[in-house]
Amino acid sequence: DARVTQTPRDKVTEMGQEVTMRCQPILGHNTVFWYRQTMMQGLELLAYFRNRAPLDDSGMPKDRFSAEMPDATLATLKIQPSEPRDSAVYFCASGLVLGGEQFFGPGTRLTVL
Amino acid sequence: GESVGLHLPTLSVQEGDNSIINCAYSNSASDYFIWYKQESGKGPQFIIDIRSNMDKRQGQRVTVLLNKTVKHLSLQIAATQPGDSAVYFCAEKKTPANTGFQKLVFGTGTRLLVSP
Repeated sequence: DARVTQTPRDKVTEMGQEVTMRCQPILGHNTVFWYRQTMMQGLELLAYFRNRAPLDDSGMPKDRFSAEMPDATLATLKIQPSEPRDSAVYFCASGLVLGGEQFFGPGTRLTVL
Repeated sequence: GESVGLHLPTLSVQEGDNSIINCAYSNSASDYFIWYKQESGKGPQFIIDIRSNMDKRQGQRVTVLLNKTVKHLSLQIAATQPGDSAVYFCAEKKTPANTGFQKLVFGTGTRLLVSP
């Protein structure tokens, strides 16, 4: 049963600390997406990749957020330094084509104190 | 200023009733739509999709209707069960002019509450 995995599932950290979230897309999927979900803003697209190349990261704050795909089996989202307003659930999703069905991971719940 | 959370529309139904969840989309040129279900503490899950060359598509207990004239999408759930309680999102395929890359844009969602 292929699925997207994310680690950690929960992260509590203090303001100013670096946070790294990891995602393993479904094997064979060449598109990867990072979303953030909050009560205030709903589901927001932060960045997405095709064949490991970033296509659009205009949805995320450039000064503190960075998204990379070191290889086809790993996507990372880093926040440095973290702030309380970054508290949210971060989802990774993968798919076969842009604009097609996306398979979501279970999310990382981030709390920045 | 004061901040408020998103006000999710809520649909409350009794078990066994049929549910209809609605969604309006913005781009008349959009040609692909998906409905997702998100249960508490989980990521969104694909339910059903539809392309713009169709008006209706049926799955197991679910039907999606597409009205391109008024840019409206609906999800019908037959014989709703307590396990159907979740937030339902419609998503629309868009191609932003600034990137040229397709992506899905999600609506704000509707909460479905099913009472036994």
